[in-house]
Amino acid sequence: DSGVTQTPKHLITATGQRVTLRCSPRSGDLSVYWYQQSLDQGLQFLIQYYNGEERAKGNILERFSAQQFPDLHSELNLSSLELGDSALYFCASSGGTSGTDTQYFGPGTRLTVL
Amino acid sequence: AQKVTQAQTEISVVEKEDVTLDCVYETRDTTYYLFWYKQPPSGELVFLIRRNSFDEQNEISGRYSWNFQKSTSSFNFTITASQVVDSAVYFCALFIPGAGSYQLTFGKGTKLSVIP
Repeated sequence: DSGVTQTPKHLITATGQRVTLRCSPRSGDLSVYWYQQSLDQGLQFLIQYYNGEERAKGNILERFSAQQFPDLHSELNLSSLELGDSALYFCASSGGTSGTDTQYFGPGTRLTVL
Repeated sequence: AQKVTQAQTEISVVEKEDVTLDCVYETRDTTYYLFWYKQPPSGELVFLIRRNSFDEQNEISGRYSWNFQKSTSSFNFTITASQVVDSAVYFCALFIPGAGSYQLTFGKGTKLSVIP
């Protein structure tokens, strides 16, 4: 158990819908990262937050957004869903902003868009 | 730009055999970090090891060992006396501090199947 929690574990929805994925980092970790794992793209970095502020952006679509709240939990919002958004979404956390700290991953949320 | 290549897509071994998973990385930076993660069939990503570019010492942890060679830009992972519980997808990843993006760059992964 990494100490990172993600809810829900599974999510099934329809095209055009909007969903919210939730992540709670390990106790004491200030950084939260979101990754997408799909069969064709592999594991791709989406976005990082540190202590409530956005710190880095990767291959995140404009239809996707995230935020980190004062209690340090984070939410990833996916809107206007398409079939291609079906994937496993991971949240990871680490202790500092330098990024050299090890990123520990949550169990993931499996999103299926029908 | 950084890149991680795991040329072995799938490997099958019989239980108790030794197996080595290859990882080759590309970066022009002199400071970087390398990682291995394990993704068992249940789906979570489990951290195994982190190594920085200034530490070329090999590491052993139980049946696991890692061989880091800067001269060949490789960070290979060996499992000795493999067990069925080692069946998983293994990812090698690279991190460049100060690159402006705090992402881990992952290889495509190697799926290891250990047959009883």
